[in-house]
Amino acid sequence: DAGVIQSPRHEVTEMGQEVTLRCKPISGHNSLFWYRQTMMRGLELLIYFNNNVPIDDSGMPEDRFSAKMPNASFSTLKIQPSEPRDSAVYFCASSFWLPSSYNSPLHFGNGTRLTVT
Amino acid sequence: DQQVKQNSPSLSVQEGRISILNCDYTNSMFDYFLWYKKYPAEGPTFLISISSIKDKNEDGRFTVFLNKSAKHLSLHIVPSQPGDSAVYFCAASADAGGTSYGKLTFGQGTILTVHP
Repeated sequence: DAGVIQSPRHEVTEMGQEVTLRCKPISGHNSLFWYRQTMMRGLELLIYFNNNVPIDDSGMPEDRFSAKMPNASFSTLKIQPSEPRDSAVYFCASSFWLPSSYNSPLHFGNGTRLTVT
Repeated sequence: DQQVKQNSPSLSVQEGRISILNCDYTNSMFDYFLWYKKYPAEGPTFLISISSIKDKNEDGRFTVFLNKSAKHLSLHIVPSQPGDSAVYFCAASADAGGTSYGKLTFGQGTILTVHP
């Protein structure tokens, strides 16, 4: 089990540029989550998918942020255009969801540290 | 509005002793609580969880206690080991059996240092 794989580990970009973060969830997991960690706000949920369908994107800060999950083994989080305040560590997590049961905990990747200058 | 609070930013403990990490919450709708451990440059790793229908859950050296009336939970680590040194996050969910189970609200974390 390779765990949740995120790429890149570090990304440095200039304000105004497009940034794409990538995530490969654990095989067999059907839920995928994007979290962001900042000093000011801590860990906060941005968006999550169940069976590749976005369920709740209320945590996405602005329209500049978008996320996709074209298949069960891949997801992207895109920021366009990026701004310095987007600098943070972005975590992807996956889990296996079954209705009406206490589900498996979230398994997090090692994150992408984004710096926008 | 911080719905999950970890009021102690740091805790220092001697190896072999008990570590007690505390967490308070305000949202009565939370029905599932988790503790995660995080090392630098890594993602959070799940440690232990408890549902609101229980008041205690044990897993090896780790025990979580839940006091619903006080809206308080704690994580006990006995005995503490130097390898336990990490940041510990308390998290809560308001939809344990539903589609929003993974919509976790995290505390700010407590840095635990276990001295040899």
